[in-house]
Amino acid sequence: AQTVTQSQPEMSVQEAETVTLSCTYDTSESDYYLFWYKQPPSRQMILVIRQEAYKQQNATENRFSVNFQKAAKSFSLKISDSQLGDAAMYFCAYRSANNQGGKLIFGQGTELSVKP
Amino acid sequence: DTEVTQTPKHLVMGMTNKKSLKCEQHMGHRAMYWYKQKAKKPPELMFVYSYEKLSINESVPSRFSPECPNSSLLNLHLHALQPEDSALYLCASSQVPVYEQYFGPGTRLTVT
Repeated sequence: AQTVTQSQPEMSVQEAETVTLSCTYDTSESDYYLFWYKQPPSRQMILVIRQEAYKQQNATENRFSVNFQKAAKSFSLKISDSQLGDAAMYFCAYRSANNQGGKLIFGQGTELSVKP
Repeated sequence: DTEVTQTPKHLVMGMTNKKSLKCEQHMGHRAMYWYKQKAKKPPELMFVYSYEKLSINESVPSRFSPECPNSSLLNLHLHALQPEDSALYLCASSQVPVYEQYFGPGTRLTVT
């Protein structure tokens, strides 16, 4: 069975600085998708970034980028130029490419606070 | 900014009540999901519908009854709930084959 681990329950960053959130996963599959979701306090969960396992190039979305290390089964999220609005719970998630049901396996989350 | 809507936003119900949660999406997605989320925890998958048919039931107690009347609507019928069922209930949708899931804002349920 696949598992996702986020080893940092809480992180803090100064506004305008850069922060990296860690995520590792365990799988025997070669084809899968990885996601980072953001859930601000009392607001809905939104997709931050997606990475296909077959792509070597790391995904980027504006200030958000990932460091995808397939051999190490690592998928970290880097947030550059942090803003107050980045404060949220961040969840790393895995989905098998063979899973037609679309089941996501989530990590336990990292709560990010941004200091002004 | 959401294309998945959920009603109501908040619901308080007694253990003997019957209520329903509603989810709607207009993105043409053919897969829809129900999740349960406790505070500061990841969402837990409850049910998956694909092409209006139930494809996954994560051993959810029968006091939760899902329904998918059409490709845009998803309901969750609640009956005889327990206080430990109090949580945020999230709906999500996705294309089939599945890529990313899009979440609604959730219904905050309190069982008294």
